[in-house]
Amino acid sequence: AQSVAQPEDQVNVAEGNPLTVKCTYSVSGNPYLFWYVQYPNRGLQFLLKYITGDNLVKGSYGFEAEFNKSQTSFHLKKPSALVSDSALYFCAVRDGDTGFQKLVFGTGTRLLVSP
Amino acid sequence: GAGVSQSPSNKVTEKGKDVELRCDPISGHTALYWYRQRLGQGLEFLIYFQGNSAPDKSGLPSDRFSAERTGESVSTLTIQRTQQEDSAVYLCASSWTSRESPLHFGNGTRLTVT
Repeated sequence: AQSVAQPEDQVNVAEGNPLTVKCTYSVSGNPYLFWYVQYPNRGLQFLLKYITGDNLVKGSYGFEAEFNKSQTSFHLKKPSALVSDSALYFCAVRDGDTGFQKLVFGTGTRLLVSP
Repeated sequence: GAGVSQSPSNKVTEKGKDVELRCDPISGHTALYWYRQRLGQGLEFLIYFQGNSAPDKSGLPSDRFSAERTGESVSTLTIQRTQQEDSAVYLCASSWTSRESPLHFGNGTRLTVT
């Protein structure tokens, strides 16, 4: 069964600084990886995904993520954080080799960007 | 176009009562998921439907929980004899058939059991 770990409950960063939100995964087949963001009192919004190809994927709102197969990681990054990026971020994984299956989410990381 | 719609947005019920939550997926999306999010916690998978295939019910926490889906349209999640620990936000999501497709989430139903 697949699983996702987000080791940090919260990440604090000053506006304008780079940010990283960590994610590691476990899956038996090829990983299909996703990042979602949840703003207060709103549903989850898709940010980006890695399926195959270039290890650096770019997504919405200037976010990007780097897939590292040897470290089984898929960290979310942004070169310059904005206060409006403050939200709850979820990493998710699906096993790409065993048919259409559920998408398993991590426990989430709260990002707080201070002015 | 219209996104995933969930109703009601909020539901307060007394312990022991049954509740029914509704999800209208994006038109054409064959896959539909239900997740539960307790306060301050991550997303807990409950069930997913894929076309006419048998649903994956592996995440349902007890036999008090059930869900149905009519074809590739509306789904209802029913919780019988609600308990206080059922209080949470219930999120519905839909997607295309492809494994590469991201999920599109509704805004959720906030359930409070008193």
